[in-house]
Amino acid sequence: QVQLVESGGGLVKPGGSLKLSCAASGFTFSDYYMSWIRQAPGKGLEWVSYISTTTTYTNYADSVKGRFTISRDNAKNLLYLQMNSLGAGDTAVYFCARGNSLDQWGQGTLVTVSS
Amino acid sequence: EIVLTQSPGTLSLSPGERATLSCRASQSLSSSYLGWYQQKPGQAPRLLIYGASSRATGIPDRFSGSGSGTDFTLSISRLEPEDFAVYYCHQYGNSPRTFGQGTKVEIK
Repeated sequence: QVQLVESGGGLVKPGGSLKLSCAASGFTFSDYYMSWIRQAPGKGLEWVSYISTTTTYTNYADSVKGRFTISRDNAKNLLYLQMNSLGAGDTAVYFCARGNSLDQWGQGTLVTVSS
Repeated sequence: EIVLTQSPGTLSLSPGERATLSCRASQSLSSSYLGWYQQKPGQAPRLLIYGASSRATGIPDRFSGSGSGTDFTLSISRLEPEDFAVYYCHQYGNSPRTFGQGTKVEIK
């Protein structure tokens, strides 16, 4: 069955960096756009970024543009999110999701930015 | 950026009643690339509807989506106890992609 498993979350100080991973299985990873979505504690969903199947196209929310970089390794079925210059506003659960319509989601990984 | 505005913020209904949720876009959406998602506390969101009106795999037929252009609706024909949750709309036809702020469907 389709499975998406995020990892790499944790506690990081303001200004720090973190790299999230999303391991995909149960489908042909290279056939799908992939996205990152986040949810701050008690808040709604915020789309963060997407990447096309061959990495040709990427796009970012204004709130993370210039600080976050999405990438993927189709040979390893892995999606990544490199997050730099983190601030308190980046504290959230980060989900990876499959396809343009986000038809499958991981369970999320919590990123906490605090001193 | 396309802004999605969901209404109402909270819907208080009883099991068996019909729920009607609205999602309005600030500009016309490309080819109705609009999805609806259900989220329960502590869980990841689940896709219910894609392409504005197509039910995702395994979604009961009491869930239906309609609309085009700037106005979209999610209807739940008869609320079951497991349907009380938060619902989000999401547009994926324009970049950057965006979500609505959510509608909470609570038990009256």
